[in-house]
Amino acid sequence: SQQGEEDPQALSIQEGENATMNCSYKTSINNLQWYRQNSGRGLVHLILIRSNEREKHSGRLRVTLDTSKKSSSLLITASRAADTASYFCATDITTDSWGKLQFGAGTQVVVTP
Amino acid sequence: DAGVTQSPTHLIKTRGQHVTLRCSPISGHKSVSWYQQVLGQGPQFIFQYYEKEERGRGNFPDRFSARQFPNYSSELNVNALLLGDSALYLCASSLLGRFNEQFFGPGTRLTVL
Repeated sequence: SQQGEEDPQALSIQEGENATMNCSYKTSINNLQWYRQNSGRGLVHLILIRSNEREKHSGRLRVTLDTSKKSSSLLITASRAADTASYFCATDITTDSWGKLQFGAGTQVVVTP
Repeated sequence: DAGVTQSPTHLIKTRGQHVTLRCSPISGHKSVSWYQQVLGQGPQFIFQYYEKEERGRGNFPDRFSARQFPNYSSELNVNALLLGDSALYLCASSLLGRFNEQFFGPGTRLTVL
């Protein structure tokens, strides 16, 4: 089974609204990363949050991490049509000596004008 | 600066054939990882190389192999192709190989007929 699982699987919102997606994972992590993928192309790194951090911001993105609940959330504020993409969380787990990432199945976000 | 590059972009093969995929990391990055992404799923880790040594291997059969060259570029080889090998193959590079961001290339779309 996959380490990270995103919720919801799909999200449809209008431009200007906020989009929130969640990620749950199973084992202890070094860090958690969020990626965006447009139409089956390469992944774009959005943000990395380390296990000792609780919140991180980057532009319109806000990521939280709750290691006690083994969960993270990604908030996109004031969404734009260009934010339409699939969003993945990926965990770098501590039991692995080297940083292979374990991905969830993703949240598909559609932003309509 | 150039990002991660992969070649070819698309590839069509028939069952039983062999394929070689190539990846050039971001300049200065010493780690290259390979992921397989089947349609509708998140990427799955195949291999990681750091300083030309294999540092991690995912749950893939021995038909999959890889190597990293002195200039840190990498090749992924798949022998005896099966229909189920049809996927987007993603290469990612990172500076340290662990505990940091991974930057993905655009991927190679492999179709096995």
